[in-house]
Amino acid sequence: KQEVTQIPAALSVPEGENLVLNCSFTDSAIYNLQWFRQDPGKGLTSLLLIQSSQREQTSGRLNASLDKSSGRSTLYIAASQPGDSATYLCAVPSGGYNKLIFGAGTRLAVHP
Amino acid sequence: DTAVSQTPKYLVTQMGNDKSIKCEQNLGHDTMYWYKQDSKKFLKIMFSYNNKELIINETVPNRFSPKSPDKAHLNLHINSLELGDSAVYFCASSQEGWGQGNTGELFFGEGSRLTVL
Repeated sequence: KQEVTQIPAALSVPEGENLVLNCSFTDSAIYNLQWFRQDPGKGLTSLLLIQSSQREQTSGRLNASLDKSSGRSTLYIAASQPGDSATYLCAVPSGGYNKLIFGAGTRLAVHP
Repeated sequence: DTAVSQTPKYLVTQMGNDKSIKCEQNLGHDTMYWYKQDSKKFLKIMFSYNNKELIINETVPNRFSPKSPDKAHLNLHINSLELGDSAVYFCASSQEGWGQGNTGELFFGEGSRLTVL
């Protein structure tokens, strides 16, 4: 049974810091891994998707890496800004089709 | 132009009532989902439909009945609402399968916040 864990659960940092959010999963037989952002009271916005054949993906100040063998992914946020404040969720498909299993998320607060 | 849209965004109702939440996607995807986010913000899949056929049904009470009139729509009907049904319900869509240019990326709607009094 696939389980996804995210560490830390919450993070509060001053603006400008580089951050690393961690995601681990128990079953390494995954097709991809997705990172999402959720703002309070809002839906989920897809940030990055890493396919199983890839080791990392980059979008602007975000970089996500994937190590299938160790069951880990990291989301690196460079030069954090207050607008980055949100909950970050990682998810992996499980059991065929695209049944996503989510982690509990990392709640990020970036203060000026 | 919203890719995955849900209505209503907010729904407040009494215990015992029946309510529906509608979802539409204009991405041309063939698979749609309903996820539930509880008060602890944990997201869990409820149902998935592929080309109008039910393919995933997680241990959801029979009071919840999804309906897919076509592959662009997946509605959620809930009978005899209970206090524990209060949550945010998210609709999502994706293209089935991986490879051949398809990454399997999921796209989510904005959510429908259901409050049962």
